[in-house]
Order: sequence, then structure tokens, then C-alpha cells
Amino acid sequence: SYELTQPPSVSVSPGQTAIITCSGDKLGEKYVCWYQQKPGQSPLLIMYQNRKRPSGIPERFSGSNSGNTATLTISGTQPMDEAEYYCQAWDSTIVVFGGGSKLTVL
Amino acid sequence: QITLKESGPTLVKPTQTLTLTCTFSGFSLSTSGVGVGWIRQPPGKALEWLALIYWDDDKRYSPSLQTSRLTITKDTSKNQVVLTMTHMDPVDTATYYCAHLTFNSRDYIQYFDYWGQGTLVTVSS
Repeated sequence: SYELTQPPSVSVSPGQTAIITCSGDKLGEKYVCWYQQKPGQSPLLIMYQNRKRPSGIPERFSGSNSGNTATLTISGTQPMDEAEYYCQAWDSTIVVFGGGSKLTVL
Repeated sequence: QITLKESGPTLVKPTQTLTLTCTFSGFSLSTSGVGVGWIRQPPGKALEWLALIYWDDDKRYSPSLQTSRLTITKDTSKNQVVLTMTHMDPVDTATYYCAHLTFNSRDYIQYFDYWGQGTLVTVSS
């Protein structure tokens, strides 16, 4: 079965750039989504089609996908960005989620 | 405005069958390019996709669950999607979410863009 691998944790200082990776076999050939989940809340779509932001998602969030790795970049990270982040892709008709990355802003 | 809400039992016993209902508004599941999926999250763990139903009644299921444990159906007139999961086990304890799927058939791009609040289901005797 297809797997997506994320680092369990990422730390960043406020105002700095956070980079969260998501790895999978030939992932660059698939479309990747990213979801943000804060404690006690439902996941929120923050990126789709690798690099497109839904309405209302700040411009500091950006995405890319090439080779075997998709990347979520948060520029000028704010304390409010502290959350769990999940990547998601499609393996043919099957939905696959990554294991999640806890972003700590300290 | 698209909203979804999950409902069902909060506690089920091992071996029982779980039935969850997703009631939604703001869209129709008979409209081309629309789907509803179920995703669960055990306490403190990652998201896990379970099933998906499209506007044309096409259905997809997670291969990681035991074959035929899951059934997803839709009732377009009631704006509801129902998920049944048989042979419940304590490892199935999780928050269960339903989510709206947008599907672009031209580029085969699809994503879950609206999520329900989730419902916690505990499996225990």
C-alpha cells in the first residue's frame, strides 16, 4: 500500500520559515493536499493541487511537489500556526494521509 | 454555506455494528463533481481515510480495513450519507469525521474542503 511519510515534529521561531515535508514514491506525479488541525478542532484544508490555497488561507502558506517530496512552507510563521499538519494524496482511487507533523512555534 | 454534521452512538460494544450518519447542507450529492468521505482519528493519532461516495454513486473504500467491514450509502433526498462498520473492536475507538469532496473531473483533482465537527465513538464492553 502507498505510504506518505512526514517528520513527527518541526520547530520554528516566530517570524521564521517553517518547512514541513511529505515523502512518497513518485509523489511528484500526484496531487497533494495539506490540512491544518489545531487541538480539539476538525482538519482545515490549507493547500490543494500542490500549491493552491483555498479562500481565506494566508499567503504565508505555500506548497510545492516534485520528485518524491511535497513541501509545505510557512513564511513568517506566527504563534497561531502552531498545529498538526497532514499531507494527503491519492493513490489511484485511494485516499492516503501522512502521519502528521506537529509544528511548534517557540 | 456548506456544513456537515456527524451523528450516531457514542458507545458501542465489541463485535457490534456501528452506523454513522452525516447530515449536510449547502450542496447536493446529486450535483456532478461532489462527494462525501469518512475519515477517522484515534485519540492522539493520525487521520485515517475510510470511505468515499461520489455524486454518481461510485464508492471507494480503504483497503487497510478488513474486506467488507465498511458500507457507504447516500440518501440524496435527505442530504445524508451513512457509513456502517461491522465487527467493531476497541481499536476502532476514534473521532469519526465526514467531509465534503470537490472533484474536478477534467484534471482529476479532488480534495476534502469542508469537514464536520466529528463524533467520538468509543468501543468498549
